[in-house]
Amino acid sequence: GAVVSQHPSRVICKSGTSVKIECRSLDFQATTMFWYRQFPKQSLMLMATSNEGSKATYEQGVEKDKFLINHASLTLSTLTVTSAHPEDSSFYICSAARYEQYFGPGTRLTVT
Amino acid sequence: KQEVTQIPAALSVPEGENLVLNCSFTDSAIYNLQWFRQDPGKGLTSLLLIQSSQREQTSGRLNASLDKSSGRSTLYIAASQPGDSATYLCAVTDYGGATNKLIFGTGTLLAVQP
Repeated sequence: GAVVSQHPSRVICKSGTSVKIECRSLDFQATTMFWYRQFPKQSLMLMATSNEGSKATYEQGVEKDKFLINHASLTLSTLTVTSAHPEDSSFYICSAARYEQYFGPGTRLTVT
Repeated sequence: KQEVTQIPAALSVPEGENLVLNCSFTDSAIYNLQWFRQDPGKGLTSLLLIQSSQREQTSGRLNASLDKSSGRSTLYIAASQPGDSATYLCAVTDYGGATNKLIFGTGTLLAVQP
């Protein structure tokens, strides 16, 4: 139990376009989901906390207008990277919370 | 502000050796501490979770200890195998509940040589 999926696993997009990443809790309901970002050879940095039915809480330094988070249901949260640039290229990982956090497999975003 | 540090940053050992990974945190008011494994380009696999009231947890060849007062945790891996090669991350949840954010350490890259 406690499986979290992410889609897509890899995405390549051109600079200036927007990309949406989905995070789903497959076998449980999660009122809270988290979005992390990981640069090569670095640890995970929390970007935002997503609560079902309310606005996301962003960490300091994360642009909320650039990284749009929607948590429309208890099993789905989405992260949209708007007007992506090469510096947004990274590994994005979500987690869903039920007693503890369960992590998705990650999405590799490459912006060309 | 909670900060989590892991040493060493990288470790290479021959197969069969026992090894210890270290994690330290600056604020002892934690809810729990968790050890994860991350393979290259993959997500996180939870290995062990220690509640703040516990001192250790064991799973197979893995043993994690927690000394909250000194802000330290160790992950002991017995009889290491090449399949143990990965990055190991520790993370703490500050006191307040499981849905509070995790604060990750810097990670230890482990290579077990056959």
